[in-house]
Amino acid sequence: QKEVEQNSGPLSVPEGAIASLNCTYSDRGSQSFFWYRQYSGKSPELIMFIYSNGDKEDGRFTAQLNKASQYVSLLIRDSQPSDSATYLCAVNTGGFKTIFGAGTRLFVKA
Amino acid sequence: ETGVTQTPRHLVMGMTNKKSLKCEQHLGHNAMYWYKQSAKKPLELMFVYNFKEQTENNSVPSRFSPECPNSSHLFLHLHTLQPEDSALYLCASSQDRGGDRLTQYFGPGTRLLVL
Repeated sequence: QKEVEQNSGPLSVPEGAIASLNCTYSDRGSQSFFWYRQYSGKSPELIMFIYSNGDKEDGRFTAQLNKASQYVSLLIRDSQPSDSATYLCAVNTGGFKTIFGAGTRLFVKA
Repeated sequence: ETGVTQTPRHLVMGMTNKKSLKCEQHLGHNAMYWYKQSAKKPLELMFVYNFKEQTENNSVPSRFSPECPNSSHLFLHLHTLQPEDSALYLCASSQDRGGDRLTQYFGPGTRLLVL
């Protein structure tokens, strides 16, 4: 059974701090990795896509991928209350099959 | 507003009813997906269609029947559902397969309650 694991949280950080969200996956052959954000009562929306080992930065967001350790993370710098949401890690295991983690709830305190 | 629309947004049905969920994407994508999202559980992939052909069926019970008449429209026909089928049903689309072309764009979902 291919799995994607995330700490369910909630992760609580003060405004302006760095939020660190982690994800591990079981299928070593996975090639594409996604972070989605889901606000309460809304549908998921893409935050970051990464496929190479290392870091990828986009504004306040940095995705980090380590395929040897089967680990992908998302850092949010200068966290804002508007970043409070559930963050879903998603891993493509081949073809169109993308497996989602259960998500980490992030709460940014003003 | 998202380029993927879903109707109805809310649905209450009895276990003997037959109903259909509709999804339409206006993004020019080739692949469309159905997911089930239950509280405290990961998104569960149900079906994937690429160019109208089904490419994934994730061992979904036969009381869920998908239909994809073209690359822009996707239906989920429901019959004799069980209360445990109550969930949010999300439709998504992606350009194609491979790298960031797999980025999925989600519709707002249909909140289903089976009584």
